[in-house]
Amino acid sequence: EIVLTQSPGTLSLSPGERATLSCRASQSVSSSYLAWYQQKPGQSPRLLIYGASARATGIPDRFSGSGSGTDFTLTISRLEPEDFAVYYCQQYGSSPYTFGQGTNLEIK
Amino acid sequence: EVQLLESGGALVQPGGSLRLSCAAPGFSFSTYGMNWVRQAPGKGLEWVSGISSSGGITYFADSVKGRFTISRDNSKNTLYLQMNSLRAEDTAVYYCATSKRDATDYWGQGTLVTVSS
Repeated sequence: EIVLTQSPGTLSLSPGERATLSCRASQSVSSSYLAWYQQKPGQSPRLLIYGASARATGIPDRFSGSGSGTDFTLTISRLEPEDFAVYYCQQYGSSPYTFGQGTNLEIK
Repeated sequence: EVQLLESGGALVQPGGSLRLSCAAPGFSFSTYGMNWVRQAPGKGLEWVSGISSSGGITYFADSVKGRFTISRDNSKNTLYLQMNSLRAEDTAVYYCATSKRDATDYWGQGTLVTVSS
């Protein structure tokens, strides 16, 4: 099983700042099958990034993903008020399709 | 607009069984792989199980292997999760979700399963 470790656990920033979230895998993620999700309280997760760096449909270009192998990053270039939420990475290259434990992005 | 409608969540005693359903009306259901993902109260996401578009290949998390079964009826556009030998740690909101395709995926709103005596 591939274990995904996200850091930091909590990130406190202000609107307009840049956010950098990390996801490290215990072994290489097959074909960069790494996704990022955003989840707000009471809502289902929303796909932001798939294939490590491709933006999902309707996702603003302030969201970007990068990385390969075992190290992946989600960057939000300029935080908007609606971006404060919990973010999860997920690998879907090999079963079980594990999630990271999440990063809580909160308003400073 | 794609809608996934989960149902079947309930309060069940430890050791009991429950079957969840996920209906996908008016959607090209038979062409998508499908998954179940759960979220315990106040906790993160946990992938539970997946099934290929035809139903011929299934996958399970170690935490549910041997207790849960995933299946689908493409003629009814419906996904199922049969949960047996339920434990307190299975308490969660259960979401059905499509595989990722064409730059998106789709999720239901979830159904709550509570395992308690």
